Amino acid sequence: GQQVQQSPASLVLQEGENAELQCNFSTSLNSMQWFYQRPGGSLVSLFYNPSGTKQSGRLTSTTVIKERRSSLHISSSQTTDSGTYLCAITNAYKVIFGKGTHLHVLP
Amino acid sequence: AQTIHQWPVAEIKAVGSPLSLGCTIKGKSSPNLYWYWQATGGTLQQLFYSITVGQVESVVQLNLSASRPKDDQFILSTEKLLLSHSGFYLCAWRQGGTEVFFGKGTRLTVV
Repeated sequence: GQQVQQSPASLVLQEGENAELQCNFSTSLNSMQWFYQRPGGSLVSLFYNPSGTKQSGRLTSTTVIKERRSSLHISSSQTTDSGTYLCAITNAYKVIFGKGTHLHVLP
Repeated sequence: AQTIHQWPVAEIKAVGSPLSLGCTIKGKSSPNLYWYWQATGGTLQQLFYSITVGQVESVVQLNLSASRPKDDQFILSTEKLLLSHSGFYLCAWRQGGTEVFFGKGTRLTVV
C-alpha cells in the first residue's frame, strides 16, 4: 500500500478562508518535509519538520511522529496560494512523496 | 549562488534516441544525490540514489541508468528513449539526515 497518504486530494476555498492539509505515513521516518509544487513542476520547500510545530508567515506545520501524521495549515488563504502541496517522508536513502493536495483559492 | 544546477531545462527527443540529463552540486562535500521522475499528473517517484562517487542504487526500473562520475555530478541516461520516459525529472541532494534540496528540473518530451 501507499506509504504516504495526503488528504484531501483537492480543496477549493474562498479567499480568506483557512486550509488544513493532512499527511499520514505508514512507515518509519527520520524527517518530514512539505513542498509547494509550481505549475511548471519545480519544488519550493516550505518546511523541514521531523517533529513538533513550525510556523512561517501564514503557514504552520505540525508533525506528530507517534501518530504518524503531519499537517499543513494555511491561514487567510490568498489566490496566490493555489497550487499543489506535497508532503514527503525520508529515511536513510529514500524520499517518498504523497500524491499531493491540489488547492484552488477563489477570489 | 545556486547550489544545485540541472541541465538541460527542457528537451524534445525522438523515440529511440539517446538521453543524458545532468546535475551538479556546488560547495558540498559527499552529498547524497537523488533522481526523481514525475509523469504528467502523476506522483514524484524516486529513480536512483547515490551516497558516494561511483556507487548508484536503483529504486525504480524505468529502462534508465544513472552514474556518479564525480562527487558533485549525477547523470541520468538511456540509449533508447521510450514514449513513457516523457515527464519531469528532478535531481536532489542532502547531507546527513536533514533537509532535501531539489534542482529546478528538466522537462522531457519524447515524440
